[in-house]
Amino acid sequence: GAVVSQHPSWVICKSGTSVKIECRSLDFQATTMFWYRQFPKQSLMLMATSNEGSKATYEQGVEKDKFLINHASLTLSTLTVTSAHPEDSSFYICSARESGGNKQYFGPGTRLTVT
Amino acid sequence: QKEVEQDPGPLSVPEGAIVSLNCTYSNSAFQYFMWYRQYSRKGPELLMYTYSSGNKEDGRFTAQVDKSSKYISLFIRDSQPSDSATYLCAMSVGANAGKSTFGDGTTLTVKP
Repeated sequence: GAVVSQHPSWVICKSGTSVKIECRSLDFQATTMFWYRQFPKQSLMLMATSNEGSKATYEQGVEKDKFLINHASLTLSTLTVTSAHPEDSSFYICSARESGGNKQYFGPGTRLTVT
Repeated sequence: QKEVEQDPGPLSVPEGAIVSLNCTYSNSAFQYFMWYRQYSRKGPELLMYTYSSGNKEDGRFTAQVDKSSKYISLFIRDSQPSDSATYLCAMSVGANAGKSTFGDGTTLTVKP
């Protein structure tokens, strides 16, 4: 149980284009989902907290107009990287917290490469 | 100063050794404590989840929380090469209480 999927697992896009990453909780409902990015051999960096049916809360220094988050249902949150640039290349990981609980379950991550 | 401090390592041990991974924290309001394992290029996997002080055992893994010292540990017995990964501690104030605060992770290598 408690499986979180991400799609795609790997994407290459050209500079200036937008990329959408999906995060799904497969066997539980998640009122809250989190989006992280991770550079090689570095720690997780929380980008934003996504609550179903409301606007996401972004961490300091994260551009909300560049990283669009939508949490339209209790099992799906999406992150759209708009006008991507090479410096946005990173490993993006989502996690989902069970509704009414405290455990976070992570997705397998999405590797984004912007050329 | 970070809220959660974790020695980044790297830590290298021979197969079969007992491994001790530790985190310290400054926020006395933390009540829930987690350990995650992350293999290279994968998402973190929840290993242990504990509430308040005390010990919790699951197979070869034991999580220990000492709230009076603001110190948590993860022990791995009979370590295996497959335990080679980065281990992240995390903690939160309470259920449904927002985001967890993560340590930076300790990289462990178990040599056969």
